[in-house]
Amino acid sequence: EAQVTQNPRYLITVTGKKLTVTCSQNMNHEYMSWYRQDPGLGLRQIYYSMNVEVTDKGDVPEGYKVSRKEKRNFPLILESPSPNQTSLYFCASRRDRAGNQPQHFGDGTRLSIL
Amino acid sequence: SQQGEEDPQALSIQEGENATMNCSYKTSINNLQWYRQNSGRGLVHLILIRSNEREKHSGRLRVTLDTSKKSSSLLITASRAADTASYFCATDYGNNRLAFGKGNQVVVIP
Repeated sequence: EAQVTQNPRYLITVTGKKLTVTCSQNMNHEYMSWYRQDPGLGLRQIYYSMNVEVTDKGDVPEGYKVSRKEKRNFPLILESPSPNQTSLYFCASRRDRAGNQPQHFGDGTRLSIL
Repeated sequence: SQQGEEDPQALSIQEGENATMNCSYKTSINNLQWYRQNSGRGLVHLILIRSNEREKHSGRLRVTLDTSKKSSSLLITASRAADTASYFCATDYGNNRLAFGKGNQVVVIP
């Protein structure tokens, strides 16, 4: 089954403790992206990647890192999490860099930073 | 960044009725996409309409795009309780990024 898989689905942690949210897609998609969803703000893009070793900042990249060493994986790294990064995070993928394609979303990761 | 904006923000209807929601945006787009999100789940793609298209259908869904008014509408006909969800429009400005609206909560009462 074609899917985007995020782990963990839920995480409660403390300020400053580094964490990684993994994202993997099995559709051989070139384009991957991370979003955060906050009440009243909708989805905002954090980072995106056009292909292996190519990443770019989205609208709210501060406090986050990403890497794209393999086509299928696009982890989101919070080196020193803070409470304002408490949010619902979504990973998404798209077939390639060409436009006019839908994005496929994972089920989300709910992070709580205390 | 520029984002689509849905209107109305919340809608409550009886099963069998039609639900219409609108989305506006600010500059030229490559395409506009509609997504559905069930509570606690990821977004599911519904319809993509390109900038040179005016109307598109998928099952009970109908999307229109008016580029002169920079607006789109999503119509759900003969709504069902299972249509209860949040609906988002997302605009593709051709810069490899999607700009999402804040979402529109639809509740279908059985």
